[in-house]
Amino acid sequence: DAGVTQSPTHLIKTRGQQVTLRCSPISGHKSVSWYQQVLGQGPQFIFQYYEKEERGRGNFPDRFSARQFPNYSSELNVNALLLGDSALYLCASSVPGQPNYEQYFGPGTRLTVT
Amino acid sequence: AQKVTQAQTEISVVEKEDVTLDCVYETRDTTYYLFWYKQPPSGELVFLIRRNSFDEQNEISGRYSWNFQKSTSSFNFTITASQVVDSAVYFCALEEYGNKLVFGAGTILRVKS
Repeated sequence: DAGVTQSPTHLIKTRGQQVTLRCSPISGHKSVSWYQQVLGQGPQFIFQYYEKEERGRGNFPDRFSARQFPNYSSELNVNALLLGDSALYLCASSVPGQPNYEQYFGPGTRLTVT
Repeated sequence: AQKVTQAQTEISVVEKEDVTLDCVYETRDTTYYLFWYKQPPSGELVFLIRRNSFDEQNEISGRYSWNFQKSTSSFNFTITASQVVDSAVYFCALEEYGNKLVFGAGTILRVKS
């Protein structure tokens, strides 16, 4: 089975621009979470979506938004990009409620803001 | 608030040495889950282990072993007979209610041949 996929792999944007990152979960997984990993730090939780509804939001400004589609894929949007938004954006999928689930991470999208 | 501390920023060992990565956590929840992930240079987080707060049994998987001590809020990870392929960044994480993971800052492990 295919793992979590993310696109694009790399992205370069200019300050003030907007970006959309995409994630496809593992087949059968209904929950998608987004994390931001700044260089040299651990990932930080941004959003969690389950069954197309937002179930959790981390401490990120309103410039960050996300949505989940009927096929459980997800998009993360960031508006008015700042230099500090440069990071690896990781998507994770899971099957909440299962007794032994874990979150499976995709390879990430590396965003560089110049 | 939940917090995970990995005090070791970077560890260097020679191949075949044993190495222990420390993880200390803080939480007010009585039910929680702890994780270890490996992040090789490619960037993808690789799941290693998930342990719930009610199971304090140590676990061994091949060269990997984990020591969970609730009394000291620690969940340490030991690699026995390290190999160059073990070189990576290792993250300890705590699962908050609602499946949100709180990660530590990570420990860079360098294994030299």
